[in-house]
Amino acid sequence: AQSVTQPDIHITVSEGASLELRCNYSYGATPYLFWYVQSPGQGLQLLLKYFSGDTLVQGIKGFEAEFKRSQSSFNLRKPSVHWSDAAEYFCAVEPRTASKLTFGTGTRLQVTL
Amino acid sequence: DADVTQTPRNRITKTGKRIMLECSQTKGHDRMYWYRQDPGLGLQLIYYSFDVKDINKGEISDGYSVSRQAQAKFSLSLESAIPNQTALYFCATSERDTQYFGPGTRLTVL
Repeated sequence: AQSVTQPDIHITVSEGASLELRCNYSYGATPYLFWYVQSPGQGLQLLLKYFSGDTLVQGIKGFEAEFKRSQSSFNLRKPSVHWSDAAEYFCAVEPRTASKLTFGTGTRLQVTL
Repeated sequence: DADVTQTPRNRITKTGKRIMLECSQTKGHDRMYWYRQDPGLGLQLIYYSFDVKDINKGEISDGYSVSRQAQAKFSLSLESAIPNQTALYFCATSERDTQYFGPGTRLTVL
């Protein structure tokens, strides 16, 4: 069965520092890959997605993610974090043959000023 | 995303009561989904529908039922609510391979 692992439950970074959130997946074939963000009291907003092609994907709000097939990873990065980036971040995968997402358990990001 | 709306946004109910959560979308998407979110567990799929005549169970459908009244409307029902159904519930729609989420309904079962 496919699975998604986000090994970091909670991360704290200082405003202006760089950020990397980890995501690993287990699936037979390379799935579609997504990162969503959930701000407090809000729904999930799509940050970026990878279907094929260039393995470095640019998203909204200055985020990017890199797909590494050899490591089955899709890590999310941001060069300089803003206080408004404090939220929960979810990695998700979807098999190419079925429109069903499997989510990781999420990483809560705290930003200190 | 205002294109996907959920009602109510918050609901407190008692054990054994029947509850309906509603989802409406103006995106014109055929595919709709219901998820629940529990702290530390991410989102789990309850039911999904690829069109009005197509309803499918997700990972955790026990205790829930759904109705797809029209392309734009997808309702989730708890026939007899129990406390462990206390959670945040999300509706989503998709076109091809990207899902768009509603703002969520916080349900508390006492």
